[in-house]
Amino acid sequence: GNSVTQMEGPVTLSEEAFLTINCTYTATGYPSLFWYVQYPGEGLQLLLKATKADDKGSNKGFEATYRKETTSFHLEKGSVQVSDSAVYFCALSPYNAGGTSYGKLTFGQGTILTVHP
Amino acid sequence: NAGVTQTPKFQVLKTGQSMTLQCAQDMNHEYMSWYRQDPGMGLRLIHYSVGAGITDQGEVPNGYNVSRSTTEDFPLRLLSAAPSQTSVYFCASSYHGTGRDEQYFGPGTRLTVT
Repeated sequence: GNSVTQMEGPVTLSEEAFLTINCTYTATGYPSLFWYVQYPGEGLQLLLKATKADDKGSNKGFEATYRKETTSFHLEKGSVQVSDSAVYFCALSPYNAGGTSYGKLTFGQGTILTVHP
Repeated sequence: NAGVTQTPKFQVLKTGQSMTLQCAQDMNHEYMSWYRQDPGMGLRLIHYSVGAGITDQGEVPNGYNVSRSTTEDFPLRLLSAAPSQTSVYFCASSYHGTGRDEQYFGPGTRLTVT
């Protein structure tokens, strides 16, 4: 079956530090990969996505590259801010042989990020 | 557009009670899903629907029912609440098709079963 594994948290950083959150996946075929962010008390928002191997998703200074050879989609940001404090989820959306997805996401367990001034 | 809306925001139930969590979207999305979020476990899929009249089970369907009579609405029914169903519930919707499949989430319903 499909699965997503994220690095264990929580992660605590000082402002302007470099961030990496590791994500690896297991899936058949060629899934789409996503990073979602959840701010305190809110629902999930899409942060970035990649739909095929070697694609790089980017948004708000965050980046992640779809690495098929290592089945990874690590999230990075060069300089974090206090406002980046949130829970980050890696997720995949599988596709069948006909290229159809079914709106079914498989999530990692989430990584809590806290950024101090 | 209101996006994905969920009601209620908070609910407390006693064991054995039933209730319906409401979910609606105004983006004409084909796919709708229900997830539950528990600490340290990420989000897990309960049920999903690929269109009106079509539903299927996800990873953790026991104790929940769904129906989809319209494109817009996808209610989740708890038949007989149990403490193990204490969780935060999220509804999501998305388009069909490669490259358009990011899901849009509602704000969530926090359910406590005593």
